[in-house]
Amino acid sequence: EAGVTQFPSHSVIEKGQTVTLRCDPISGHDNLYWYRRVMGKEIKFLLHFVKESKQDESGMPNNRFLAERTGGTYSTLKVQPAELEDSGVYFCASSQGAWANEKLFFGSGTQLSVL
Amino acid sequence: GDSVTQMEGPVTLSEEAFLTINCTYTATGYPSLFWYVQYPGEGLQLLLKATKADDKGSNKGFEATYRKETTSFHLEKGSVQVSDSAVYFCALRAMDSSYKLIFGSGTRLLVRP
Repeated sequence: EAGVTQFPSHSVIEKGQTVTLRCDPISGHDNLYWYRRVMGKEIKFLLHFVKESKQDESGMPNNRFLAERTGGTYSTLKVQPAELEDSGVYFCASSQGAWANEKLFFGSGTQLSVL
Repeated sequence: GDSVTQMEGPVTLSEEAFLTINCTYTATGYPSLFWYVQYPGEGLQLLLKATKADDKGSNKGFEATYRKETTSFHLEKGSVQVSDSAVYFCALRAMDSSYKLIFGSGTRLLVRP
C-alpha cells in the first residue's frame, strides 16, 4: 500500500514568489491534515480536510496560505507571496476516520526555503 | 492552551547507552500521549502511545509511561543503536479534539558506534 506522498521534497524560492505544495493521501482516506515545522520548533497544526471540505483551518497563519482539496483526493497548499518566515518543513498526514484512536499516516514532508 | 515541552537536543550517545528524552505536557483532562520518530529522509512515524494514566507504551525497545501526577511522558530505551539516530517528537491529542495533535519541538538523537 502506498503511503502519503508529498511533492516536491524540497523547494527553494525567493521572497515574494509563489509556491504550491502537493499531498497525495493514502487511497480511501477521507481525512487529510497539514502541519508545519518552522525554524526547528514544534510541529504545528494548520488545517484538516474531510473529503473536500475544510473541517478546521484554525492553524492557518494568514491569508497568504490557501489550501484546497478538489474532489476529495489530493490536496495543495499554496503560499502567495512567500515570506522568509514561511521557511520550514510542511507535513501532510491522512487517516481513514477522525476518531480519537485513529492512526495518522504522515508523509516525508516538503522542505521549503524562502530566500 | 495545551502544550508539550521536551528537552532540547541534540542528544549524543554511544551505542548501547541508556536513553532518556524528557517530555512534559500541559492539558486539561486526560489527553492521549504519543511519541513520533522521524528518521532521515522519511516521514513521521508513530513510535508508541498511551491513552490513560499509568499506561505504558512500548515499541522497538522504547518505552514511555503516562504519569498524570507529574504530567510527563518520558521516552526511554535501555540500549540504543546507531539505527535509532533520528528526531523524536512528543505529542498529545486533547480529549476534545479527536484529530488535532500538539507536538513538542523535537529532540535530535545521534548515536555513535
